[in-house]
Amino acid sequence: LAKTTQPISMDSYEGQEVNITCSHNNIATNDYITWYQQFPSQGPRFIIQGYKTKVTNEVASLFIPADRKSSTLSLPRVSLSDTAVYYCLVGLMNTGFQKLVFGTGTRLLVSP
Amino acid sequence: EAGVAQSPRYKIIEKRQSVAFWCNPISGHATLYWYQQILGQGPKLLIQFQNNGVVDDSQLPKDRFSAERLKGVDSTLKIQPAKLEDSAVYLCASSGERGRIVDTQYFGPGTRLTVL
Repeated sequence: LAKTTQPISMDSYEGQEVNITCSHNNIATNDYITWYQQFPSQGPRFIIQGYKTKVTNEVASLFIPADRKSSTLSLPRVSLSDTAVYYCLVGLMNTGFQKLVFGTGTRLLVSP
Repeated sequence: EAGVAQSPRYKIIEKRQSVAFWCNPISGHATLYWYQQILGQGPKLLIQFQNNGVVDDSQLPKDRFSAERLKGVDSTLKIQPAKLEDSAVYLCASSGERGRIVDTQYFGPGTRLTVL
């Protein structure tokens, strides 16, 4: 079964830049890559979405290489409130069908 | 703009009982999703509706789970009978763009189900 993989956890300090990578070898050619943030007892919240190269918004940047088999979420100057679980979401090809698949999730802990 | 609404927020039942969850998507959103999120894991798509038609239900355990979206708006997800392994958070999401499998989804707060 096609899947996406992420590091289980990452630790950082306030003010640092954090980069979280998601691997998705079987990404569908016409689909976007989306990243979500999830706090305990809440639903995932949209952060950023892209198709290729680089996308930047007011909270994050998303880097996607030409082969699109991975993507990297970059959070500049993290704060304590960025402590959360981060998921990538992609459409993957699996036995000829496209399926929505969330990544395994990366638990980010930001310390003072 | 109102977000995705779900109810109840919490539910505790015994195994073999039935349970139903309700979702009201963002107004105007054509696509509605139900996910199951087991503790410590990413959400798993159970079913995706486009208006009131099913786009993907390949991971829905159809022997015990059912879902409907009448009139292309609200949706209900039912489990009958429940098993211990159904304990999870059930998330509903909606999106408004057509033609892309990976739309920007907006999630509700989820329903936490505990099966004893």
